Amino acid sequence: DTAVSQTPKYLVTQMGNDKSIKCEQNLGHDTMYWYKQDSKKFLKIMFSYNNKELIINETVPNRFSPKSPDKAHLNLHINSLELGDSAVYFCASSLSTVDYNEQFFGPGTRLTVL
Amino acid sequence: AQSVSQHNHHVILSEAASLELGCNYSYGGTVNLFWYVQYPGQHLQLLLKYFSGDPLVKGIKGFEAEFIKSKFSFNLRKPSVQWSDTAEYFCAVKHSGAGSYQLTFGKGTKLSVIP
Repeated sequence: DTAVSQTPKYLVTQMGNDKSIKCEQNLGHDTMYWYKQDSKKFLKIMFSYNNKELIINETVPNRFSPKSPDKAHLNLHINSLELGDSAVYFCASSLSTVDYNEQFFGPGTRLTVL
Repeated sequence: AQSVSQHNHHVILSEAASLELGCNYSYGGTVNLFWYVQYPGQHLQLLLKYFSGDPLVKGIKGFEAEFIKSKFSFNLRKPSVQWSDTAEYFCAVKHSGAGSYQLTFGKGTKLSVIP
């Protein structure tokens, strides 16, 4: 009965490969997010979708492409992986974009690019 | 653009010591404030949040935070820490109003509690 789940938990791959991370929430939330946490633990928003529509697209290389097939899923596809992409990627969701709605986070996907 | 500062990078305390972690933000308008905790190897969990009303907010596990608007601060406190409080703590700010989708995080404070 995990609220926000991500797969895989760990991902080790070579430079230049293409990979995807999947996220699903069973909370009935309208809004989903992707964050990147770097080696210094700094969390930065990458994307946000509300009702399957992109509402936040921070300065992220266009090698990163989010896809939301429905409100419960927000997947992240990364093309031509680079060493600097190594990080922990967190998916999150919130009831809506309303100010005080807290965000619920997934367990994270640790991506290591060799 | 709003920013969040957490001044302490790493705090080391003995069990039963009192804790205060600083958080300051730069946005001048109405804000919503959050503290999240990340236990080792786990995902972020909400400790507490402020969006209106009483500026002293009580959260889970005995944590509280006080919103001081004049100081742009939202410091986290706990009177007596336990070893199980060892974790990374993140302050986050969301400015209030239409189009305010973005949650901005501070860089986190690592708390180590020594038994």
